[in-house]
Amino acid sequence: QSALTQPASVSGSPGQSITISCTGTSSDVGGYNYVSWYQQHPGKAPKLMIYEVSNRPSGVPDRFSGSKSGNTASLTISGLQAEDEADYYCSSYTSSLYVFGTGTKVTVL
Amino acid sequence: EVQLVESGGGLVQPGGSLRLSCAASGFTFSSYDMHWVRQATGKGLEWVSAIGTAGDTYYPGSVKGRFTISRENAKNSLYLQMNSLRAGDTAVYYCARARSDPYYFDYWGQGTLVTVSS
Repeated sequence: QSALTQPASVSGSPGQSITISCTGTSSDVGGYNYVSWYQQHPGKAPKLMIYEVSNRPSGVPDRFSGSKSGNTASLTISGLQAEDEADYYCSSYTSSLYVFGTGTKVTVL
Repeated sequence: EVQLVESGGGLVQPGGSLRLSCAASGFTFSSYDMHWVRQATGKGLEWVSAIGTAGDTYYPGSVKGRFTISRENAKNSLYLQMNSLRAGDTAVYYCARARSDPYYFDYWGQGTLVTVSS
């Protein structure tokens, strides 16, 4: 099972919007609506931000949103804030297995 | 409050074995699938294993046959027995609680570091 492909880095100024892509195949991202996104600050455990493509857990700000088209899922952060600077990973369920994305470092300029 | 606390990490020689533990609290442990996910220093997340509520287990090809996940519901504990360890297994190992249908990881522990080196 190959890792899902994400851009290595994305940057934006405070208040701007950025989008992180997550590309897989028809066997994972494209085949199931089970894409989730995780935020990880340095030295910390990952934190769930989005599940089932576009659902936000309670407590996650509504500036975080998710979507999917074909084999590519996306995470959009609107109104970028300094505390959003972190690594972000997508993940997909696929036939009793799980696969993560390569990870994207978000920098707030 | 859901808490997951890993332990058992450390330095082990190539070819050696190590058993990780994860102590769960704040939820009905027996009702949830549980997973191990690892992260090598400076690298991305890698799913390592899963165990369902019925004790069914799942592994990726990279660890299948070397790692064994198990659970002891009476002790609210999750385990990972790692054998034939290689340098490439060096990583922080996280215990994670999972939801089923939809599938995602909703709580993570803080991790335990495993270093495989001579």
